[in-house]
Amino acid sequence: GQQVMQIPQYQHVQEGEDFTTYCNSSTTLSNIQWYKQRPGGHPVFLIQLVKSGEVKKQKRLTFQFGEAKKNSSLHITATQTTDVGTYFCAAFLMEYGNKLVFGAGTILRVKS
Amino acid sequence: NAGVTQTPKFQVLKTGQSMTLQCAQDMNHNSMYWYRQDPGMGLRLIYYSASEGTTDKGEVPNGYNVSRLNKREFSLRLESAAPSQTSVYFCACPLQGAGGYTFGSGTRLTVV
Repeated sequence: GQQVMQIPQYQHVQEGEDFTTYCNSSTTLSNIQWYKQRPGGHPVFLIQLVKSGEVKKQKRLTFQFGEAKKNSSLHITATQTTDVGTYFCAAFLMEYGNKLVFGAGTILRVKS
Repeated sequence: NAGVTQTPKFQVLKTGQSMTLQCAQDMNHNSMYWYRQDPGMGLRLIYYSASEGTTDKGEVPNGYNVSRLNKREFSLRLESAAPSQTSVYFCACPLQGAGGYTFGSGTRLTVV
């Protein structure tokens, strides 16, 4: 089962609205990664967060790693139709031999 | 996606047939990974190879075998395909210095 829980599963927003997806783990994470997958495409690496409380920005995307390193979020300001896709968080988990384990993903649809 | 190349892109198999999914990387990286993606499940690790000549099981290895032929190539074999193996298969290897993985374009497999 999923050791990295991601919510919501699905979100449909009006263009220009904000969007946030959350990632949670019961264990402390060494780091967390975020990926974007366009419909019909492959996952594309966006960013990696390592430090407790870390915040990084990429244009309209803001990534945050929790103080306890058990949760993370991705926030998109003023969504555009180009933001459509599935956003995944992923983390290296000791119980999986320190291999990269993915959350189930949040599907974002943007209505123009 | 010049770093990781997968073939074929699409395949339809009958139950019980066998096939090999091919993956090659030109990034000179030691590690390579095979994931499968199913709706609502994210990406799940099937097998990985930490270096040439070594392979190990991931989260969902049953029904699959792998071969790390050389540093560039890592193949995934289905000996007797089952409908439950209908999925999208991705090969991946680590990005140099960035912390994330780069993925191939995927193989969309349907077993009927």
